Parts: sequence; C-alpha cells; structure tokens
Amino acid sequence: DIQMTQSPSTLSASVGDRVTITCRASQSISSWLAWYQQKPGKAPKLLIYDASSLESGVPSRFSGSGSGTEFTLTISSLQPDDFATYYCQQYNSYSGLTFGGGTKVEIK
Amino acid sequence: QVQLVQSGAEVKKPGASVKVSCKASGYTFTSYGISWVRQAPGQGLEWMGWISAYNGNTNYAQKLQGRVTMTTDTSTSTAYMELRSLRSDDTAVYYCARVEILGAYFDYWGQGTLVTVSS
Repeated sequence: DIQMTQSPSTLSASVGDRVTITCRASQSISSWLAWYQQKPGKAPKLLIYDASSLESGVPSRFSGSGSGTEFTLTISSLQPDDFATYYCQQYNSYSGLTFGGGTKVEIK
Repeated sequence: QVQLVQSGAEVKKPGASVKVSCKASGYTFTSYGISWVRQAPGQGLEWMGWISAYNGNTNYAQKLQGRVTMTTDTSTSTAYMELRSLRSDDTAVYYCARVEILGAYFDYWGQGTLVTVSS
C-alpha cells in the first residue's frame, strides 16, 4: 500500500493565522489526493479533491496544492470553526486507499 | 439532500459477527459506490473496502480479506458491511461513505456506528 505521511501531527495556531499542513506519499500519486476535516464525534467532511479542487460549499480560505509525492493544505486565515483534525487521503491505488495519520489544529 | 443514515451502536463478544447498515437517500443509489472506513478510538482513518451499488462488485482491504463482506439492497437503497471473527482491535467507529467510482474520494459520509468488542 502507498504510505501517506502528514506533518506536523499537531499544530498550535491563533485565529487569523495562515496554516499549512503537508502530506507526503511514499510513491507518486499524480493529483489523486483529497483532504478532509474531522471534528470530535463527527464524520469527516470533504474539503479538497484532486489535490486542488475545492468541494462545493467549502470556504475559499481552504486551498490545496501539489502533485506527485508532496501536497499541502493551506488555510489562509484560521477561523474559530477550523480547529479540528485534518486528514489527507490518496486514491491513486484503488486496491488500497490510504489516509495520512492526521494533523490536529489546536488553539494557541 | 444526500444522506447516509447508519444503524445503531453494537456490543459484541470476541469471535462474533456484526452487520452494520447504511441507508442512502437524496441521490440515485445505483449511480455510486459505497466505501466503508473505520476509526479506532483516538486513532486515524482506515479504509476497509468498496462496493458498487450498480453491479455489486467489491474490493476489500487486504488485511480484512476473508473476514469482511459488503453487500447492497437496491430495493431499499441500503448498503451493509458484515465483519466476522471479531477481535478487540476491531473496536471502532465504522463509517459508510459515498464514492463515485472505485478508487476515488468520499463526498458524503454516514454518522458512524460504534462497534465495541469486549468479553
């Protein structure tokens, strides 16, 4: 299976900060990458697909970039509702879809 | 609006089986697939497998092969996931999620079903 490594695992930030989360794949996955946001006790929510396409209804402060093995999720100005855990997911290999380990964004 | 509504929490003994349901509404059920993803307490997300609601084709995660079966009932727009020979490390929240095709992202998710395996 393709391994997905996220960094950092925890991030402390303040409202209004620009936040960047990185996801690295163990082999090239082209642009077959999605980002999800998960809040405690809730199901994940799709934010970004195909590495940089914004899901309908997701605020434009979220953006994704990258291709191949290195990807980033950026929140341009962190809002109170954005404190959550974020996961990347690759779908290049349909025989083994895999997620990153998650990045928890905490209040500084 | 698209909704996936899952069955309620389960408590099972080691060695038993569990079957979780996921009822879809708000879209044409047979035009999409359903994937199952689980999350152990305090841990990350693990993909379990996929089923096409169109033709019933399945693809399971290698580590669960032989213990998991995914099915659909198109007459009720419901997907099912059965996991057998339960172990304590199967304790997790189990999610169903809509997926356009095998090997894609998950655009809508169920609310999750907690399965606890304990003697």
